[in-house]
Amino acid sequence: EDKVVQSPLSLVVHEGDTVTLNCSYEVTNFRSLLWYKQEKKAPTFLFMLTSSGIEKKSGRLSSILDKKELFSILNITATQTGDSAVYLCATNSGNTPLVFGKGTRLSVIA
Amino acid sequence: DAGITQSPRHKVTETGTPVTLRCHQTENHRYMYWYRQDPGHGLRLIHYSYGVKDTDKGEVSDGYSVSRSKTEDFLLTLESATSSQTSVYFCAIDETGVGEQYFGPGTRLTVT
Repeated sequence: EDKVVQSPLSLVVHEGDTVTLNCSYEVTNFRSLLWYKQEKKAPTFLFMLTSSGIEKKSGRLSSILDKKELFSILNITATQTGDSAVYLCATNSGNTPLVFGKGTRLSVIA
Repeated sequence: DAGITQSPRHKVTETGTPVTLRCHQTENHRYMYWYRQDPGHGLRLIHYSYGVKDTDKGEVSDGYSVSRSKTEDFLLTLESATSSQTSVYFCAIDETGVGEQYFGPGTRLTVT
């Protein structure tokens, strides 16, 4: 059974801090790993990573996948209160739909 | 934003009554999914569809059925609602089945 584990479950930081969110996985026939941000509504897509060691970057957010060690990290630099959300990690194994982790709740305080 | 709508957005119903939730897309994507989201459990897949009349079960399918008679509509039915089905339900679409999924706004269902 495919499994995705995110850590920490929750995190509180101050504005301007840098945070690292972790996602480890055990997936048969791994194809890709995806990150989503969920505020008080539907999840919104951030990144999809398919190749090991390649960094995806969008503004202050970046993510790297390590296919050898079976994990990914999501980095957020210079955090802002608008970054407060639940961040979800999911994996895709080709023939089965996405498997989601339980998420990391990030709270950024001024 | 991807063209996905869900209806109703909020519903309160009594135990034992049937409930149907609708997901409608304007993107002509082949794949559609129903998830439920509960505290401590994250997003869990209920059912999904890979084409008209083609559906399959997800992780938490017991007590739910689905139908897809048109590309744009995916219906989720609770035949006899129970309190354990109180949840937020999200629909999602995906063009290829292996790419990113885009989510609808969600339906908050309360079963009393």
